[in-house]
This record gives sequence, structure tokens and C-alpha cells, in this order.
Amino acid sequence: GAGVSQSPSNKVTEKGKDVELRCDPISGHTALYWYRQSLGQGLEFLIYFQGNSAPDKSGLPSDRFSAERTGGSVSTLTIQRTQQEDSAVYLCASTLGRGLTQYFGPGTRLLVL
Amino acid sequence: GESVGLHLPTLSVQEGDNSIINCAYSNSASDYFIWYKQESGKGPQFIIDIRSNMDKRQGQRVTVLLNKTVKHLSLQIAATQPGDSAVYFCAENIQGGSEKLVFGKGTKLTVNP
Repeated sequence: GAGVSQSPSNKVTEKGKDVELRCDPISGHTALYWYRQSLGQGLEFLIYFQGNSAPDKSGLPSDRFSAERTGGSVSTLTIQRTQQEDSAVYLCASTLGRGLTQYFGPGTRLLVL
Repeated sequence: GESVGLHLPTLSVQEGDNSIINCAYSNSASDYFIWYKQESGKGPQFIIDIRSNMDKRQGQRVTVLLNKTVKHLSLQIAATQPGDSAVYFCAENIQGGSEKLVFGKGTKLTVNP
């Protein structure tokens, strides 16, 4: 099957607007992760979902960031009242289970003007 | 350790040479390590992983070496090709702990024909 897919691939928005980023994990993968990558930087963990367990939100930088995962599959990352410093590539990854290799999607490139 | 990027380290090699990319990690409790390759405009792609009960693991044209004494990880690429040009990230994880990966800041490899 297909790998992890993300949409949109690019998003340009104005400061103060809300944005929603979508991730479709690999079919059957139970764990899903969101990371943020600023220009020329490494990946910063944001949030992790595993099955029906409570998500690990320890990486979310502020309360403007939230994420949900519906039906144990598709996930949406929402950024409210976007700021220019939110501009980055947002990457999603999924794994078959705990402690296994994470497979990444192509990312959504967000630009906040 | 946590990714704190200022300037991305770079490595430039000639096609056909061997490449060695290094990574230092900070958490002595980390017991699982992964190397990812990220080409421009794409998400990270899994290359090879190693668990802490090993000090060497080989794949196709790649070898990962782990030195737990000095908390150092390296990726060796044999007979480097232009298609190997990318940013390479190491990542660490504590199995049985948080499932998030902690990424290094990356090394940009340029292969000159």
C-alpha cells in the first residue's frame, strides 16, 4: 500500500487565521506522530497518538496547537491564530506499533504571512 | 539530545568515496537509534536502525556504528553516489518510555560528480 500522506502539501495563510493540516497514516498503523521542522533545523516532536490511549501532547508549543485522531486513523493538526513563527514544515509519521520504525509523510509546508 | 540547530553541518565528498556522518547523543538511557535521510522537499526516509545491544549493523552500502561509552553514533556510506546527496538525521529513543524520537540537527551531505 500507500505510504503516509499529508494535505495540503503547501499552505499560505495570513497571521491570525486558523489552519488545519491533515495526515493519513499507513493503513493498519496504530501509532501516529506529528513533528515540526523549521528551516534548516531538525525535527521537533509535537504530539503522539497510540491506539485508544490518551495522546502525548508534551511537545505542543502553545495552546494554539491541538490535534485529534478520529477513528484511530486520520489525524488533523489545528493551529489557531497563526503567528509568523509557526511557519515551518509539519511532518506526520506512523508506526505499526510501539517502539517500531516511524515512517514519514512528505509534510505540509506552512507559511504565515 | 534535543535538536538545537544553529548552522547545519555539511560534508562534501567525491562520487565513489566513502562518507562518514557522525552524531552525538546526550541521553545515556537511549537504547534505540535510527538514521533518516531527507531529500529536499520530502519527508525523512528510514535508512537503518540499531539497538543498544549491538555496536555495528550493516545494510546495503550503509553501516551504522554505535559507541555507547562516548554516546556516539555514525553512519558510513560506501561508494557514495550523487543520489545520496541529502540531509541525514540521527534519532534516539528509549524503548518502553516515551515513544517520541529525539532528532539530532542533521548533516547535509553533498556528493560531487
